[in-house]
Amino acid sequence: DTAVSQTPKYLVTQMGNDKSIKCEQNLGHDTMYWYKQDSKKFLKIMFSYNNKELIINETVPNRFSPKSPDKAHLNLHINSLELGDSAVYFCASSQGGRDRTEQFFGPGTRLTVL
Amino acid sequence: GENVEQHPSTLSVQEGDSAVIKCTYSDSASNYFPWYKQELGKGPQLIIDIRSNVGEKKDQRIAVTLNKTAKHFSLHITETQPEDSAVYFCAASSGSGGGADGLTFGKGTHLIIQP
Repeated sequence: DTAVSQTPKYLVTQMGNDKSIKCEQNLGHDTMYWYKQDSKKFLKIMFSYNNKELIINETVPNRFSPKSPDKAHLNLHINSLELGDSAVYFCASSQGGRDRTEQFFGPGTRLTVL
Repeated sequence: GENVEQHPSTLSVQEGDSAVIKCTYSDSASNYFPWYKQELGKGPQLIIDIRSNVGEKKDQRIAVTLNKTAKHFSLHITETQPEDSAVYFCAASSGSGGGADGLTFGKGTHLIIQP
């Protein structure tokens, strides 16, 4: 059973296109996240959602828009893709609350913008 | 915001020796410090974590220490094995998001276990 899954695993597209990455977790968690890992492997938080409500929105261009249809899903839409958007995007989930619990990461989606 | 520094960026040790990775953080409100292991082509996986009310935690060959006063924490791996080769990330979280805050990661340490 996959705890946090993402589709697609690889995404190759042209500059200017619009694309989406899907994420699903079957752990019953109430909080989901998107992270970006650049070519130097630096991991940075982009968004977090708690019970379908946006909690964190780091300094990310508004071309990136997360959508959470329910607690188990957090999708990432990217408009007008740019070369600098090329990276690996990771979805994660955890159970929120004062005592923070482990964040489980998905396998990642490698986005290449040509 | 939080800033996490991690050293070294690359660490090569002989199989069977110990490895130590060190991190410092800037936000005194941070109270949760996980360590993640990332293998090639995979997502980060938690290997151990520590909270600010604890100074040390151990799980078999892995241990983490935390010095709140100095704002630094370290990962110790003893009796290293070839399967320990990976990139290790430290992280910190302050809880400002009511439990939904993201992790601030260090830049990672590429650990190489030499046979």
